[in-house]
Amino acid sequence: GIQVEQSPPDLILQEGANSTLRCNFSDSVNNLQWFHQNPWGQLINLFYIPSGTKQNGRLSATTVATERYSLLYISSSQTTDSGVYFCAVGRAGANSKLTFGKGITLSVRP
Amino acid sequence: DAGVTQSPTHLIKTRGQQVTLRCSPKSGHDTVSWYQQALGQGPQFIFQYYEEEERQRGNFPDRFSGHQFPNYSSELNVNALLLGDSALYLCASSASRDAFGETQYFGPGTRLLVL
Repeated sequence: GIQVEQSPPDLILQEGANSTLRCNFSDSVNNLQWFHQNPWGQLINLFYIPSGTKQNGRLSATTVATERYSLLYISSSQTTDSGVYFCAVGRAGANSKLTFGKGITLSVRP
Repeated sequence: DAGVTQSPTHLIKTRGQQVTLRCSPKSGHDTVSWYQQALGQGPQFIFQYYEEEERQRGNFPDRFSGHQFPNYSSELNVNALLLGDSALYLCASSASRDAFGETQYFGPGTRLLVL
């Protein structure tokens, strides 16, 4: 099956700093999603981005499908950005089973 | 527009018992997938239901079974519970008509503790 690697595994930032989270995957995909998991376990959709670049406020994401990686950018981080960020990929469109990485734990300090 | 809902939120069982978890998909969605998330890990795909049939299955034993109802809601059943089944169980829904450009949405999960 597809392998998904996320880096770095842990990230500690001071409030206001910028960060880049990386997701590498081992095979071609046509579904890639970024999620933020809050302390209560809820997975919150950030981006559906199998290719290209998207932006939503302080967050943006870029996927280079030919090189099998995706990047999530967080600018001007806030303490509420803390949590675990997951990249998940699939090979059969929006209804495909998702293979998740192990996640990146982000801690933003005031 | 209601999102994905799951019940119960928490559950405590003992080894050997059976458990049923429930999921209602987002309005307009007809496909339901179930995932298991162990502590400190990413979610693992269990299976997916569409048109009341299991369409895809991950690497989980037959103790894990499911059902989808005509209203698209779904149940996950786990028999002969093991301590290792303790996890957060997540349900995700999506729309089959949107092969691309639509995302999967997750419910809040059910936390199962097996003692």
